[in-house]
Amino acid sequence: SQKIEQNSEALNIQEGKTATLTCNYTNYSPAYLQWYRQDPGRGPVFLLLIRENEKEKRKERLKVTFDTTLKQSLFHITASQPADSATYLCAPNYGGSQGNLIFGKGTKLSVKP
Amino acid sequence: NAGVTQTPKFQVLKTGQSMTLQCAQDMNHNSMYWYRQDPGMGLRLIYYSASEGTTDKGEVPNGYNVSRLNKREFSLRLESAAPSQTSVYFCATQRVAITYEQYFGPGTRLTVT
Repeated sequence: SQKIEQNSEALNIQEGKTATLTCNYTNYSPAYLQWYRQDPGRGPVFLLLIRENEKEKRKERLKVTFDTTLKQSLFHITASQPADSATYLCAPNYGGSQGNLIFGKGTKLSVKP
Repeated sequence: NAGVTQTPKFQVLKTGQSMTLQCAQDMNHNSMYWYRQDPGMGLRLIYYSASEGTTDKGEVPNGYNVSRLNKREFSLRLESAAPSQTSVYFCATQRVAITYEQYFGPGTRLTVT
């Protein structure tokens, strides 16, 4: 079965720096991969999707890359702010029925002022 | 638009009791999902429904049943609750086009004693 690993449980950075979160998967590449943000006590919120044939996708201060050779996606937040503090989940989809996602355990990002 | 709503928000059950978690959406999405989220385990799929009248098992279906009452509503039932079912339960819908993102409800925090 597929295994999804997010680089660390927690990441602490200083405000203004770039946060980089890693998502690694095993075996075959997903058709696409999504990233979600989850705040304490709330459900995840969709941020970005990147497809298998795309190298990079951007949205405002967010950037996602997808390297099928390394079997890895990187999620970057540039000019990070304390408001970016949250848990970030990666969720590959392997094109199965109904587009079911497999969620990683998440990385908790803390941005210190 | 309320999006995805879940009731109740909190529930405490004794072992062996039964209950139904309710989920409703006003997004006109066909696909709906039930997940559980446990510390250190990430989100795990319990059941999903591709459309009204169909349901399928996910990764951890044992001890649960579901009903897709109509396009809007998807309920999760615990027939005989066990302490291992203590968790946070999320309902989600999926946009099956373009970005395929999932929209999550606020969650139900269930404790079984």
